Amino acid sequence: QKEVEQNSGPLSVPEGAIASLNCTYSDRVSQSFFWYRQYSGKSPELIMSIYSNGDKEDGRFTAQLNKASQYVSLLIRDSQPSDSATYLCAVKNRDDKIIFGKGTRLHILP
Amino acid sequence: EADIYQTPRYLVIGTGKKITLECSQTMGHDKMYWYQQDPGMELHLIHYSYGVNSTEKGDLSSESTVSRIRTEHFPLTLESARPSHTSQYLCASSGQGALAGELFFGEGSRLTVL
Repeated sequence: QKEVEQNSGPLSVPEGAIASLNCTYSDRVSQSFFWYRQYSGKSPELIMSIYSNGDKEDGRFTAQLNKASQYVSLLIRDSQPSDSATYLCAVKNRDDKIIFGKGTRLHILP
Repeated sequence: EADIYQTPRYLVIGTGKKITLECSQTMGHDKMYWYQQDPGMELHLIHYSYGVNSTEKGDLSSESTVSRIRTEHFPLTLESARPSHTSQYLCASSGQGALAGELFFGEGSRLTVL
């Protein structure tokens, strides 16, 4: 079982709709969770971090964490064409290493 | 804006050559990382460092080596490059404590070995 799992997509969402991206992780003791966005040919950039169960909102982005289910999600409201990118879920594991999932390709349809 | 720099951005070399990919950051971060990423594929951790004179291998076996003599500098060296080393190499750094997982990435070094 991979440490961090994501559906590779592509996930196609109409402009203005809500995009929902999901991630599961295997190390139950993980405490820190991150979402990065990577545009094609560019480096990843951090968009959200979450450490406690529940929701964390930042502008159009909401991260959700459920430690009991070992599940992290990212919601993007009012999706824009500029949101089209690969979204990487990352987890800090028990060895203090940052492990990335394969990423989900998101395509916002104009 | 992140202050982490990688050189060269692009490098094409022949098999058997020795190469060093440079990575420097001006944020005073103790933690630095090297990831390898093929086009459209996932990031693999190949080396990391938690401070000066500290280096560890990551989860993906790599024939490269790293050093950390200064806080701001974390170079990666391949003694004898092979075509299988062709990839994108991404350097990152992070702060301590709660910010330890918030990585700042350089622009990457794309290596092609002929």
